[in-house]
Amino acid sequence: DSGVTQTPKHLITATGQRVTLRCSPRSGDLSVYWYQQSLDQGLQFLIQYYNGEERAKGNILERFSAQQFPDLHSELNLSSLELGDSALYFCASSVDSGEYRHGYTFGSGTRLTVV
Amino acid sequence: AQKITQTQPGMFVQEKEAVTLDCTYDTSDQSYGLFWYKQPSSGEMIFLIYQGSYDEQNATEGRYSLNFQKARKSANLVISASQLGDSAMYFCAMREGEETSYDKVIFGPGTSLSVIP
Repeated sequence: DSGVTQTPKHLITATGQRVTLRCSPRSGDLSVYWYQQSLDQGLQFLIQYYNGEERAKGNILERFSAQQFPDLHSELNLSSLELGDSALYFCASSVDSGEYRHGYTFGSGTRLTVV
Repeated sequence: AQKITQTQPGMFVQEKEAVTLDCTYDTSDQSYGLFWYKQPSSGEMIFLIYQGSYDEQNATEGRYSLNFQKARKSANLVISASQLGDSAMYFCAMREGEETSYDKVIFGPGTSLSVIP
C-alpha cells in the first residue's frame, strides 16, 4: 500500500455521463497530481493542486475539472464522457518541500471504461 | 517544450544479466530533475531513482543506477543482476524548474522490459 488511496478502482459508464474520481493523498503530502494513462497518449499530466490551490495545469480538457479540499483529498470530475476518455487515471502525491528525490507516490489508479 | 524520448519500445534480458534502458530528454532549463518509474503488469507506478541536473555523481539505488550524461541530455537506467520481477514497463520522466517545485513532470512513452529465465 503506497499510502495514496484512489476510489473507485474500476468504473464503467456510458457516453455523455459524468463521473467523479476520488484521491486521498499520503499522510503529510500537500500536493496532489492527476495523470491520465491511455494506450495512444501514454501518461499525460492533467493538473496539480497544492494545499487546496491549483498550481499547474497540463493537457486537461475543458470537460474535466478538479479540486482539492481542506482535508487535502482531491476529486477529478469528468463530464460529457466520450469513448476516448477510457483510460487509467492516476493520482499521485508529494510533500512538495524539497523531497523531490523521493519522487511522487502514486495511487493504484482508477480504470475508467466508457461504453 | 519538454520532451522525453525512449527509443526502445521493448527489451529482453537474461536473468542475472545487466540491462540499460535508454532515455534522452530535451529542455532549455538549467535546473531540472530526471526520474525513473516502474509499472508492473498490476498497474501501479513505482518510483525507482532520481537525478538532479546539478548532481555531480550518478544516482544509485540498490540494483538501479542512472548513467547521466548532461551534455548529451541522456539519463539511461542501468539495472544490474536482472530478476524475473523486473519484468515491467519503465518510464523516464522529467521536471523543469526550481528544485522545490514538482510542477509538470512529464513522462516518456516507456520501455517494456522482459526478463528471460
